[in-house]
Amino acid sequence: QKEVEQDPGPLSVPEGAIVSLNCTYSNSAFQYFMWYRQYSRKGPELLMYTYSSGNKEDGRFTAQVDKSSKYISLFIRDSQPSDSATYLCAFPGSNDYKLSFGAGTTVTVRA
Amino acid sequence: KAGVTQTPRYLIKTRGQQVTLSCSPISGHRSVSWYQQTPGQGLQFLFEYFSETQRNKGNFPGRFSGRQFSNSRSEMNVSTLELGDSALYLCASSLGDESSGAETQYFGPGTRLLVL
Repeated sequence: QKEVEQDPGPLSVPEGAIVSLNCTYSNSAFQYFMWYRQYSRKGPELLMYTYSSGNKEDGRFTAQVDKSSKYISLFIRDSQPSDSATYLCAFPGSNDYKLSFGAGTTVTVRA
Repeated sequence: KAGVTQTPRYLIKTRGQQVTLSCSPISGHRSVSWYQQTPGQGLQFLFEYFSETQRNKGNFPGRFSGRQFSNSRSEMNVSTLELGDSALYLCASSLGDESSGAETQYFGPGTRLLVL
């Protein structure tokens, strides 16, 4: 079983739709949860960061964590063509200075 | 503040050759991590350096090596290149103070390596 599972998609939605992305993880040591966004031909950039169960909102983005189910989600409301990118969940390890990434989900928002 | 820079941006090599990639972190950042990104395996951790010392290494063969200089700049080297080494190699920098890796890592644009 992979440490992090993420459906690679691709996902295509019309402008204005809600985008729902999710990851599952198996390592109980993960205490922090991140979402990175990667545009084509660019490096990933941190989008959201949370360390507790529940919801965290930042503008049109909501990160949701369910530690009991080892399941995290990212929702994008009122999606825009500029949201077209690959979204990667990421989990910092414990005392190992590294991030474990999901496969990434490629999202296309159609105008 | 300037971001993470990586050189070169693109590289074509043939099997058996070796390659050296360079990364300059954000000013003040002392931790540099390297990742390999491929369509099949996604983003995989190669190694992390802090103050010229390797603190962790991923599950890659010994052909992959790295080092960090006193100014925090880092290089990674791949010897005896194989076709499967074709990938985007990403460098990320952070302050390096948190052992959990929970600090924000800032990624460079990557070096795209093609092995023929």
